[in-house]
Amino acid sequence: AQSVAQPEDQVNVAEGNPLTVKCTYSVSGNPYLFWYVQYPNRGLQFLLKYITGDNLVKGSYGFEAEFNKSQTSFHLKKPSALVSDSALYFCAVRDTPYTNAGKSTFGDGTTLTVKP
Amino acid sequence: DAGVTQSPTHLIKTRGQQVTLRCSPKSGHDTVSWYQQALGQGPQFIFQYYEEEERQRGNFPDRFSGHQFPNYSSELNVNALLLGDSALYLCASSLEDYNEQFFGPGTRLTVL
Repeated sequence: AQSVAQPEDQVNVAEGNPLTVKCTYSVSGNPYLFWYVQYPNRGLQFLLKYITGDNLVKGSYGFEAEFNKSQTSFHLKKPSALVSDSALYFCAVRDTPYTNAGKSTFGDGTTLTVKP
Repeated sequence: DAGVTQSPTHLIKTRGQQVTLRCSPKSGHDTVSWYQQALGQGPQFIFQYYEEEERQRGNFPDRFSGHQFPNYSSELNVNALLLGDSALYLCASSLEDYNEQFFGPGTRLTVL
């Protein structure tokens, strides 16, 4: 079975400081990994994904994430946080075997608050 | 280019009733997935449709059923509603199975 853990319910950072939102995963095969952001009363928006290749993935709005196979982690990062980055962030994983096709598992989310 | 659209936006039902939620995928997308997002939790996978067939299903009872039409739009049906079915129901579309999903704004279902 596949699973995702986001160990922090909330992350608080000051504007201009770097931010990290943590994600660890468990799959039986090779993972497809995703980060999504959700603003109040809206659906999820895609930020970035790791399928294969370089471990450092760059995405929308200046976000990036680092895939670490040995630590089974896919932490979301941004060098300089903005107040407008404040939102709910979800990590998701898909296992690659076809028998699991389509089933994405999401973490419970991390609320990021960036203070001016 | 319209993104993923869902209807209705909000819905209030009573226990035991049945409900149908609708989703139109992003133009060009052929795969539709449905998720239930309870308050304070991440989306939980209900099922996915591709080529008008249910390809994968999450841990949801048979009261949850769906359909995909030839134009790739989809419906989620829930029978015999329970209070615990109150949640935000999200539809997501994608092209190819491993690509990112595009989510609709969701349908907020309240069961009284």
